[in-house]
Parts: sequence; C-alpha cells; structure tokens
Amino acid sequence: DIQMTQSPSSVSASVGDRVTITCRASQDISSWLAWFQQKPGKAPKLLISAASRLQTGVPSRFSGTGSGTDFTLTITSLQPEDFATYYCHQADSFPFTFGPGTKVDIK
Amino acid sequence: EVQLVESEGGLVKSGGSLRLSCDGSGFTFSNAWMNWVRQAPGQGLEWIGLVKSKPDGGTTHYAAFVKGRFTISRDDSKKKVYMEMNILKTEDTAVYYCATGRTPDFWGQGTLVTVSS
Repeated sequence: DIQMTQSPSSVSASVGDRVTITCRASQDISSWLAWFQQKPGKAPKLLISAASRLQTGVPSRFSGTGSGTDFTLTITSLQPEDFATYYCHQADSFPFTFGPGTKVDIK
Repeated sequence: EVQLVESEGGLVKSGGSLRLSCDGSGFTFSNAWMNWVRQAPGQGLEWIGLVKSKPDGGTTHYAAFVKGRFTISRDDSKKKVYMEMNILKTEDTAVYYCATGRTPDFWGQGTLVTVSS
C-alpha cells in the first residue's frame, strides 16, 4: 500500500501569513494527489486535484505543486476561514489512502 | 446541484451488522465511481473502498483493514451505493461518508455509526 505522510502535523499561524504543507508518498503516484480542507463537524472539501488543479470556487490563495512523491499545498495570505485541517489523498493505485492531516490553527 | 445523502447510521453491538446507503442526485450516477470514507472521533480520514462505474468494470476495491468484513455495491437504477458492514468492532465507530469520483470531489454529510462492546 502507498503510505502518505504530511508535515507539519500542525502549524500555528496568523491571518496574512503564508503557510506551506508538504505531503510525501511512499512511491511514485504521478499527479494523482488531491488536497482537502476539513472544518470541525463538516465533510471534507476538495481544494485541489491532480496535484495542482484548483477546484471551481476555491480562492486563488490556495495552490498545489509537485509530482511523483513530493507535493506541496501553499496558502498565501491566510484568511480566518482557512483555519482547518488539511489532508492529502492519493488516487494512483488501490488501496487509495489519505495523509494523516495537518491542522492549521490560530497563533 | 450534486447531492449525496447517507442513510442514518446508529448504534450497533460489537459483532453485529449494518448496511449504509447513499443516494446520489444532480449528476450522472451510473458514470460515477463511488467511495466510502470514514473518520473515527478525533481522528483523520480513512479511505474504506470504492465501486467503479459499470462502464469502467464495476469492480470494487477495499482498504486492507476491511478484511472481507465490508462489501460495497451499487444500484444505478436507484442511484444508490451501499456498504454492508459485518462483524463490526468498537474501532469501527466513526462518521461514514460517501463521495463521488476517483478523486472524491463531492461528499455526503456523513452518518455516525457507533459500535458498542
């Protein structure tokens, strides 16, 4: 199975900060990497698919890069509504897997 | 508008069974791959499995931890996907979500399944 790791596991940041979250796959997953945002008590929301494809309606301050095994989610100029937990997900090969999550909270 | 609505979960005793369903609307259900994902209290997301669309073979794929206890199926005429869960364990207590797509793009609201000892 492909293992997904994320770092950091949590980050404290202020409104306006730039936040970078990394995700690493245990083997090459090409660009089959997605990023999700989840707020407490809510279903996850897809932000980015195919490593860098921003979903319709997602603010342009979110961006994704990477391919192969190393990926990055960047939030430029963090907004109050961005405080949440972020998960990466690989859909390259079965079984699909999620990363353990990165919690972004208020400093 | 895409909508996914999971059936009510509930409380079940360890060793018991439960079937969840998920109704889809607002998209071409028969062409969609359908996932089940769960989240234990205070924990991260865990992919359970999916059923491909019939045009793509209709096959099912599962996470290793399922170990034959869960079975995913679909009824395209009813626009439903099901997950039969057997030999439930306390560690199966979680919110269960259905979601569309190889990359899960639309999600239901989730349904809580509690397994008691």
